[in-house]
Amino acid sequence: DTAVSQTPKYLVTQMGNDKSIKCEQNLGHDTMYWYKQDSKKFLKIMFSYNNKELIINETVPNRFSPKSPDKAHLNLHINSLELGDSAVYFCASSQETLGGPNYNEQFFGPGTRLTVL
Amino acid sequence: GQNIDQPTEMTATEGAIVQINCTYQTSGFNGLFWYQQHAGEAPTFLSYNVLDGLEEKGRFSSFLSRSKGYSYLLLKELQMKDSASYLCAVQRSNYQLIWGAGTKLIIKP
Repeated sequence: DTAVSQTPKYLVTQMGNDKSIKCEQNLGHDTMYWYKQDSKKFLKIMFSYNNKELIINETVPNRFSPKSPDKAHLNLHINSLELGDSAVYFCASSQETLGGPNYNEQFFGPGTRLTVL
Repeated sequence: GQNIDQPTEMTATEGAIVQINCTYQTSGFNGLFWYQQHAGEAPTFLSYNVLDGLEEKGRFSSFLSRSKGYSYLLLKELQMKDSASYLCAVQRSNYQLIWGAGTKLIIKP
């Protein structure tokens, strides 16, 4: 009965490879997010989807491509991995509808620790 | 620009009280969140302030002053399990969260 789940939890790969991280939430939330947390612990928003539509796309290399097949899933595909991509990637979701209530606590997945060698 | 400042690290004693400050400068403001993150784990929600004043929730309280761009998280009766990072996040008008770097709180016996 996990609320927000991510797979894999750990990912070790070589530079130049392509990899995907999957995220699923069973909370019935409308909005999902991908964050990157680097070694300095900054949580940086990468993407946000609301009902399968992209609403936030921060300055992220186009090697990163999110895909939302339905509002319960938001996957992250990364092409041509680089050393600087090593970080923990968190998926999150919230019950947030644009123009709706302001209070939208975000629920986080357990994180995926990506190490690029 | 967007700027959120928190102390990098604080140390406190078990049973004591500690206040973690957060100052912010953002374009557009809806409210402010505090999250707790234990090492190697995901952030978990602690509090949300939208109006000025103090919100109390058990041992944890959070304060907001919108005019001063200032918030603090107050932790009372500290326990060893409170050792964690505490993240301040501002919710902008477009609902996007801007996160501070977090304050690592070390509790000593």
